[in-house]
Amino acid sequence: ETGVTQTPRHLVMGMTNKKSLKCEQHLGHNAMYWYKQSAKKPLELMFVYNFKEQTENNSVPSRFSPECPNSSHLFLHLHTLQPEDSALYLCASSGTSGSADTQYFGPGTRLTVL
Amino acid sequence: DAKTTQPPSMDCAEGRAANLPCNHSTISGNEYVYWYRQIHSQGPQYIIHGLKNNETNEMASLIITEDRKSSTLILPHATLRDTAVYYCIVLKGTGKLIFGQGTTLQVKP
Repeated sequence: ETGVTQTPRHLVMGMTNKKSLKCEQHLGHNAMYWYKQSAKKPLELMFVYNFKEQTENNSVPSRFSPECPNSSHLFLHLHTLQPEDSALYLCASSGTSGSADTQYFGPGTRLTVL
Repeated sequence: DAKTTQPPSMDCAEGRAANLPCNHSTISGNEYVYWYRQIHSQGPQYIIHGLKNNETNEMASLIITEDRKSSTLILPHATLRDTAVYYCIVLKGTGKLIFGQGTTLQVKP
């Protein structure tokens, strides 16, 4: 595997379910990001991790819980979501955060909340 | 972070050069110009970036005006697979990519 991978690519869940999105980067980077892209809207930054430490939470509701066990892996734990949370969730990585390092994106997880 | 302005849509004939403009009149001296593209429902793909000088890679060329207030992304020989939304983003040392609505480029046969 090369670059940034995300699993699953598609996810359908009910409002009472708990699920997790996984991101893995094979680029040797130290920063990882979660973005959300709702229909017809620009990408919105959700969370930033730098060397496994969360450095930014962009006022994201607590029903989204990120986890970064190491610099190569990033998870987004989902619980009690709402239908308006249906979106494309994108992971990205870069050398470090807080710099002008290029961010490389994964293919995204298309989430549908019923 | 500096704001960018892009036309909402553009057409280009297949095989011709596609020139995508971007205005960033409030750019600061240490801010980079980045270009990404997003093909429908996929993750954004990095294309190219620059600070002051013009840049070229295997995908595209980036022309930045001398005053750095605008730039142009050039796809030299557009193909149907280049149909996508193209984002021009000004990035400073905070590392925050702020995506706008971008330019939807339609390459036509």
